[in-house]
Amino acid sequence: EDQVTQSPEALRLQEGESSSLNCSYTVSGLRGLFWYRQDPGKGPEFLFTLYSAGEEKEKERLKATLTKKESFLHITAPKPEDSATYLCAVQASGYALNFGKGTSLLVTP
Amino acid sequence: EAQVTQNPRYLITVTGKKLTVTCSQNMNHEYMSWYRQDPGLGLRQIYYSMNVEVTDKGDVPEGYKVSRKEKRNFPLILESPSPNQTSLYFCASSRGLTDNEQFFGPGTRLTVL
Repeated sequence: EDQVTQSPEALRLQEGESSSLNCSYTVSGLRGLFWYRQDPGKGPEFLFTLYSAGEEKEKERLKATLTKKESFLHITAPKPEDSATYLCAVQASGYALNFGKGTSLLVTP
Repeated sequence: EAQVTQNPRYLITVTGKKLTVTCSQNMNHEYMSWYRQDPGLGLRQIYYSMNVEVTDKGDVPEGYKVSRKEKRNFPLILESPSPNQTSLYFCASSRGLTDNEQFFGPGTRLTVL
């Protein structure tokens, strides 16, 4: 059975304190791994798609990387507005999308 | 403005009373899907549709029906709602099956008493 596990469940950072969120997965035939950001009371917002091990994508203070077993979302010098829940999802050999439970990030001034 | 709309945004109903949550997108996307989000369980896919008249089950399809008669619309039907279907529901769409820049709707908060 395909599984997606995100860690930590919650993370509190000081503004400017860089860190990484982890998404580990076990799927047969990965089509793609996706990162989303979700603010309270809103739908998830797309951040990145990664298709193969070694691939990296960047957007502002965020950088996503992919290996054969996990993905990392690196947050460099975060700001309070980066506070949100970050969701990882994988699409395997079928077309269904399997989400992890998310990491709730709080960045304090 | 490119968007996914859902209606209603909030709904309180009673067990067994059939209801439909509508979803519409204006981006000519082929792929649409429905999710439910519950505390501690995360976002789980209910159904998805690859194109008009083509749908498939996600992880938690029991108790739900969908239809895709037009490209822009993908309604979610609860024929006989039960309290365990109380949840936050999201509709999403993307250009294609492997283009997972999904655009999510604002969500529908459903309470079944």
